[in-house]
Amino acid sequence: DAGVTQSPTHLIKTRGQHVTLRCSPISGHKSVSWYQQVLGQGPQFIFQYYEKEERGRGNFPDRFSARQFPNYSSELNVNALLLGDSALYLCASSLTGQPRGTEAFFGQGTRLTVV
Amino acid sequence: GDSVTQMEGPVTLSEEAFLTINCTYTATGYPSLFWYVQYPGEGLQLLLKATKADDKGSNKGFEATYRKETTSFHLEKGSVQVSDSAVYFCALPLGSNDYKLSFGAGTTVTVRA
Repeated sequence: DAGVTQSPTHLIKTRGQHVTLRCSPISGHKSVSWYQQVLGQGPQFIFQYYEKEERGRGNFPDRFSARQFPNYSSELNVNALLLGDSALYLCASSLTGQPRGTEAFFGQGTRLTVV
Repeated sequence: GDSVTQMEGPVTLSEEAFLTINCTYTATGYPSLFWYVQYPGEGLQLLLKATKADDKGSNKGFEATYRKETTSFHLEKGSVQVSDSAVYFCALPLGSNDYKLSFGAGTTVTVRA
């Protein structure tokens, strides 16, 4: 079975541009979460979607938005890119919101560089 | 809010040495606790977890015990291999949902042959 797939794997954008990152969860998983991992730091939670509804949002500006589609895939959009948005963006999928201890499976990430 | 504090690295060891990475947590109640591993150029993989106090998670020779008395979840391995070279993250849930995770800063481990 395919794991969590993210695209693209790498991209370079210019300050002020817009970027869309994509994630396909494991088949049957209905929850997708997005994390930002700046070099040398732990991942920071951005969004969680479950059954196409936003269930949680981290401390990120409104330039960051996301959505989940009927097939449970997801897009993360970032507008007006800043140099500080350069990071590895990780997508994680989970089967459901219950029970406690449910494992989150991570993709390999999209490496975004803003120049 | 809930958070984890992880020992800073980097840590460099020789093969077959003992590894321990400290992790302490601050939380209301008793959340699940996780260790994730990130191998070079890859995403995160769940290494082990514990869902309640006194639970011991184990996988691939690694162990961690959920100790509520010391609010700790230290990761240990008795004999490391070169293939264990990676970044290790301690994590706990941000809220009532276990997949909204708060991660520590990560500890880079390098094992030399």
